[in-house]
Amino acid sequence: QLQLQESGPGLVKPSETLSLICTVSGGSISSSSYYWGWICQPPGKGLEWIGSIYYSGSTYYNPSLKSRVTISVDTSKNQFSLKLSSVTAADTAVFYCAGNSIAGAASFDYWGQGTLVTVSS
Amino acid sequence: EIVMTQSPATLSMSPGERATLSCRASQSISSNLAWYQQKPGQAPRLLIYGTSTRATGIPARFSGSGSGTEFTLTINSLQSEDFAVYYCQQYNNWPPLTFGGGTKVEIK
Repeated sequence: QLQLQESGPGLVKPSETLSLICTVSGGSISSSSYYWGWICQPPGKGLEWIGSIYYSGSTYYNPSLKSRVTISVDTSKNQFSLKLSSVTAADTAVFYCAGNSIAGAASFDYWGQGTLVTVSS
Repeated sequence: EIVMTQSPATLSMSPGERATLSCRASQSISSNLAWYQQKPGQAPRLLIYGTSTRATGIPARFSGSGSGTEFTLTINSLQSEDFAVYYCQQYNNWPPLTFGGGTKVEIK
């Protein structure tokens, strides 16, 4: 049973880079059985997919954020990370890391608890 | 980008009733649709994938149907723990993966 946990600063200044880490337990992050992703949810609003990464290292990003997003994997620590540059107040959201174990379905059956990141000076 | 539209925005129901939630895609997504449930302060939980396959541990009162552009999540005999927000998500044509705006099922 996979477990995911987000970590990182809860407050980021405008124009800076938001950095979050997702630590995975209960499975290997480099297994071909899984792929990983980040989803955000502004306060009181719906879900927005940020991007995903496969065990091979292939990444896929939301075109609306692509120029500012980097997702990477650290297999030695069984973690994957999110970097979002040049943040503004509009990037304030709960950020979830998530995993998928269902072959053929790009949905997410494992989720972290989420972490609120506020962009403010 | 495929736009997912959910209706209604809010559904007022009584426990024991059947709830029917709709999700429409801006173009055909075959059967590549998932449904999630989210309760306040919690992460979303996968309910359904592939339009109609229940995820592990999901009760049989949750069922999904549809294909192409029109999809439905049905919750038979609403339980108190079912009052939540429900999101649909397409994964037929991505990136980006896209979610609907959500339907809140509230107690009447």
